[in-house]
Amino acid sequence: QVQLQESGPGLVKPSQTLSLTCTVSGGPMYSGTYYWNWIRQPAGKGLEWIGRAYISGSTNYNPSLKSRVTISVDTSKNQFSLKLSSVTAADTAVYYCARGYPSYYGAGSYSFYFEDWGQGTLVTVSS
Amino acid sequence: QSVLTQPPSVSAAPGQTVTISCSGSSSNIGINYVSWYQQLPGTAPKLLIYDNNKRPSGIPDRFSGSKSGTSVTLGITGLQTGDEADYYCGTWDNSLSAEVFGGGTKLTVL
Repeated sequence: QVQLQESGPGLVKPSQTLSLTCTVSGGPMYSGTYYWNWIRQPAGKGLEWIGRAYISGSTNYNPSLKSRVTISVDTSKNQFSLKLSSVTAADTAVYYCARGYPSYYGAGSYSFYFEDWGQGTLVTVSS
Repeated sequence: QSVLTQPPSVSAAPGQTVTISCSGSSSNIGINYVSWYQQLPGTAPKLLIYDNNKRPSGIPDRFSGSKSGTSVTLGITGLQTGDEADYYCGTWDNSLSAEVFGGGTKLTVL
């Protein structure tokens, strides 16, 4: 079974760029049809999907964060990364990376679920 | 305010059955498949149900999912104290072109 591990700074200053990396082990990222996702969770709150990337380079982002987010995949390192610019205290959260499995059933009907998750990493935005 | 609506909390005694609802709209639950996640305290979420009612390998059949129109329900039978967790529903929203989650439901096993 694939394992995911987030890494990156735990403290970021306001207005700067948050950068995280997710390292995938247990299998090559190019194997299978998966999307590579970032999801975050502020303390005591629910889950918020940030966005996803496919190995082809195609991406989808949460409209509420789209202007500040970049997700990229590096299959040579079996990693994918998140960059979130112009951060504020509202971006303080536990950030999870997750492997997502997509299916299309026709007539606009999709299935997309998160099979595997990293343990999460807390990122605090503070000066 | 979450796109999908879940009750904030539910509770039941050990051995009993509980259901958790999740309601949405025609652009998300009404047309797409839903997944459920269990988040034990201090841990990452774990996939519990996918495609409305399918269980990944290793998930006991005490957990079940169903769908009707723009709502889905997670059922848990034979409640155990180890089931105490937050439960989230999630699905793709065609209008937003984004994955959306419910606000989460905290299950207490009394």
